[in-house]
Amino acid sequence: KQEVTQIPAALSVPEGENLVLNCSFTDSAIYNLQWFRQDPGKGLTSLLLIQSSQREQTSGRLNASLDKSSGRSTLYIAASQPGDSATYLCALNFGNEKLTFGTGTRLTIIP
Amino acid sequence: DVKVTQSSRYLVKRTGEKVFLECVQDMDHENMFWYRQDPGLGLRLIYFSYDVKMKEKGDIPEGYSVSREKKERFSLILESASTNQTSMYLCASSLSNYGYTFGSGTRLTVV
Repeated sequence: KQEVTQIPAALSVPEGENLVLNCSFTDSAIYNLQWFRQDPGKGLTSLLLIQSSQREQTSGRLNASLDKSSGRSTLYIAASQPGDSATYLCALNFGNEKLTFGTGTRLTIIP
Repeated sequence: DVKVTQSSRYLVKRTGEKVFLECVQDMDHENMFWYRQDPGLGLRLIYFSYDVKMKEKGDIPEGYSVSREKKERFSLILESASTNQTSMYLCASSLSNYGYTFGSGTRLTVV
């Protein structure tokens, strides 16, 4: 069974700081990896999708990297804002269309 | 942008009622999914469908059934609602491993 771990489970940082969220996985035979954010009581919003052949993807202040050999993905958020406060989930697709979700990191940006 | 629409944001139903949760996507995606999300348990896959009239059980199908008569619509059915089915239900769609799009969720309370 694939295991996907996100550390830390919760993180608080002052507004304006750059930060990195981590996602670790035990099975490197992934097809792609997707980062989501979830606001309380809401659905998941897709942030970035990285295919297995890619090393990173960028969207605005967000940058996601993928290192299959070390079983790790990171989500870098630059110049954090209070609106970035949410739970962040990584999810892995091993080619069977079903996602394996990480445990999540609850991020709080302190104004 | 792909839109996945869940018909209800909040539902309150009585024990024993038959409950229908509806999900519609507007981008001709092949695959559709139903998850439930509970505190401490994360997202768990109930059922998914990779084509019209095709369905496969996920990790927790007991007490649920699904229907996909048209490509754009995937319904989750609780045949006889029970209090342990109180949860957040999330629908998603995807196109051949090109990433998931989620709906905004339905918070179901069974009393």
